[in-house]
Amino acid sequence: QLQLQESGPGLVRPSETLSLTCTVSGASISDVQSFWGWIRQTPGKGLEWIGTIHYTGLTNYNPSLESRVTISVDLSKNQFSLKLISVTAADTAVYFCARQEGAYKEGYPAVLFSFVYWGQGTLVPVSS
Amino acid sequence: EIVLTQSPGTLSLSPGERATLSCRASQNVTVDYVAWYQHIRGQAPRLLIYGASNRATGIPDRFSGSGSGTDFTLTINRLEPEDFAVFYCQQYGDSPLTFGGGTKVEI
Repeated sequence: QLQLQESGPGLVRPSETLSLTCTVSGASISDVQSFWGWIRQTPGKGLEWIGTIHYTGLTNYNPSLESRVTISVDLSKNQFSLKLISVTAADTAVYFCARQEGAYKEGYPAVLFSFVYWGQGTLVPVSS
Repeated sequence: EIVLTQSPGTLSLSPGERATLSCRASQNVTVDYVAWYQHIRGQAPRLLIYGASNRATGIPDRFSGSGSGTDFTLTINRLEPEDFAVFYCQQYGDSPLTFGGGTKVEI
């Protein structure tokens, strides 16, 4: 059974960097047709897709966050991570990681589908 | 980006009744790439429907999805106690991927 677990600090100060890790168990993060995504839930904007990564390092980001977001993958640990720089109170949210179906072909843009498995989410307050 | 509007915001029903949830897109969704999720607070969201009408693995047949273009519907026949939750639609036909604001189905 595939499971995803988010981990990271419980609080982030304004202007600092939010860093979260998602540990995947029950499946290999190197599966060719699997993609790994981050989604957040804020009181004001509901669910918002942040971005997605393939084990090859191919990434897709939401343009609204792209200038501040980096998603990376650690194959040796079967993990992927999120970094969001220059956070403000508006970045306070529950952050979810998820496995996403998709179609990958080298040299072509990825085609992303639905989020099949999700973690339980972790609340990250941004506050001084 | 494609904006998804879900209605109603809250649906008050009893176990055994039918729930009909609507998701309207601001423009046509490519290839009807719409998914529905169930979320109970504190738990991982669960994929119910993908491709507008395909049930995900392990989802009971009382859940069904329909629609195309800009109008999509999730129907839950004979509500069970464990079905009461918040439901979200999502489109993946265009980037950025977007979600609707959710419909809460309460007892």
